[in-house]
Amino acid sequence: SQELEQSPQSLIVQEGKNLTINCTSSKTLYGLYWYKQKYGEGLIFLMMLQKGGEEKSHEKITAKLDEKKQQSSLHITASQPSHAGIYLCGADVTGANNLFFGTGTRLTVIP
Amino acid sequence: DADVTQTPRNRITKTGKRIMLECSQTKGHDRMYWYRQDPGLGLRLIYYSFDVKDINKGEISDGYSVSRQAQAKFSLSLESAIPNQTALYFCATSDPEGYGYTFGSGTRLTVV
Repeated sequence: SQELEQSPQSLIVQEGKNLTINCTSSKTLYGLYWYKQKYGEGLIFLMMLQKGGEEKSHEKITAKLDEKKQQSSLHITASQPSHAGIYLCGADVTGANNLFFGTGTRLTVIP
Repeated sequence: DADVTQTPRNRITKTGKRIMLECSQTKGHDRMYWYRQDPGLGLRLIYYSFDVKDINKGEISDGYSVSRQAQAKFSLSLESAIPNQTALYFCATSDPEGYGYTFGSGTRLTVV
C-alpha cells in the first residue's frame, strides 16, 4: 500500500539471530496490526497496537508502536525455523477499522 | 471447523468466464472483507461490508462484485474473468472493537 511502507522486503537470517522488521505510515495510526503468513496460506493475527509508545510481547516476538503512532517495529529474538514466513503490518488510518496492508517481509531462517 | 471458510481453495478458469468465490464465517462478526494478494503488492481491499445491508467498494473494486447473503456469508464474483485477476484471494471478518481481522485460508485463482 502506498500509505504503508514495510522494510526490509526480505530477510535471511541464521537460526538463533535476532531480527527487526519495520512498518512506517505516512499518517497517524488508529491501530497497527501484525500478521504472519505461511507461504500461500492465510494470515495469522500476532499483535495489535493502539497507543503511542505501546509495546507487546508474545513468546519471542515483540512489537512496538512509536510515540507519534506512525512507525512500528517487530522484533524476533533468537529466531527459529518456525518463525519463517511472510510478516505483514496492517494499519487503520481512518478509525473505521479498515486495514491497509504493507507489502510484507519474507523471512527465511536458516538452520 | 475454521472460523472463516473459503471455497474453493483453488480454481483455474478461462478468460471471460463468470466465477464466484464464497466465504462463510462462524465468528458472528458483522464486518466482512475481500482482499486480493499479489506478489510484491501486499493485500489490497476489493470490497467490504459492515452489515447485511451495507456494501462498500475498496481500492480495487473494478471487475468485481459482491453479495452479502446473510451475516455469515459474503461472496465475491468476477463477472468476466481476465488473466490479471490471477491472484490469491482472502476473505476476512472483524468485530467493531477492532481486535484484528480473522482471515480465511485463501482461494488461489488462476485465469488462463
